[in-house]
Amino acid sequence: GENVEQHPSTLSVQEGDSAVIKCTYSDSASNYFPWYKQELGKGPQLIIDIRSNVGEKKDQRIAVTLNKTAKHFSLHITETQPEDSAVYFCAASRTDTGRRALTFGSGTRLQVQP
Amino acid sequence: ETGVTQSPTHLIKTRGQQVTLRCSSQSGHNTVSWYQQALGQGPQFIFQYYREEENGRGNFPPRFSGLQFPNYSSELNVNALELDDSALYLCASSSDPTWEETQYFGPGTRLLVL
Repeated sequence: GENVEQHPSTLSVQEGDSAVIKCTYSDSASNYFPWYKQELGKGPQLIIDIRSNVGEKKDQRIAVTLNKTAKHFSLHITETQPEDSAVYFCAASRTDTGRRALTFGSGTRLQVQP
Repeated sequence: ETGVTQSPTHLIKTRGQQVTLRCSSQSGHNTVSWYQQALGQGPQFIFQYYREEENGRGNFPPRFSGLQFPNYSSELNVNALELDDSALYLCASSSDPTWEETQYFGPGTRLLVL
């Protein structure tokens, strides 16, 4: 089955700096890659996603890049703010099986220092 | 907020007991997936229900079972509870899995097994 590895496990940045979180996946058939933000005591919230026919996607301060050949994808957050502090999860799924089972990475705890 | 609701928010049980968790999907969504999130880890896929039928299952034993109702709400049942079942249980709703991948998570039910 699919295996998703995520690095780093913790990341501390100064407010205004950029943050980058990287994930690798093992199943070459995976073609959907969402990123979720989870705040304490809450469920994961989708912040951005990318499909395999796209190499990069941007939404304001958040961008995701995908390298299908190398089987890795990254989340980039620019101009970080204290409210960006949370745990971030990458995930992957394949759409050819008729179901949508997300395989998650182990998470990155981002701390933005004011 | 996603519009996905879960009940109860917290639950304490003892080993060997049975538990039922509930999830109401977002309006217009006919698919519900359940995930288990142990402390400090990413969510793990338990199973998915699509139009009242099980549509895929992860690596969980048969004592984890589910239901989906005609209004697309869902239940997760766990029999013979074990200490390792202590976790945050998340449900995620989505549209038809044959063409839409995006899953929206509820806030979760935190289960503690003593």
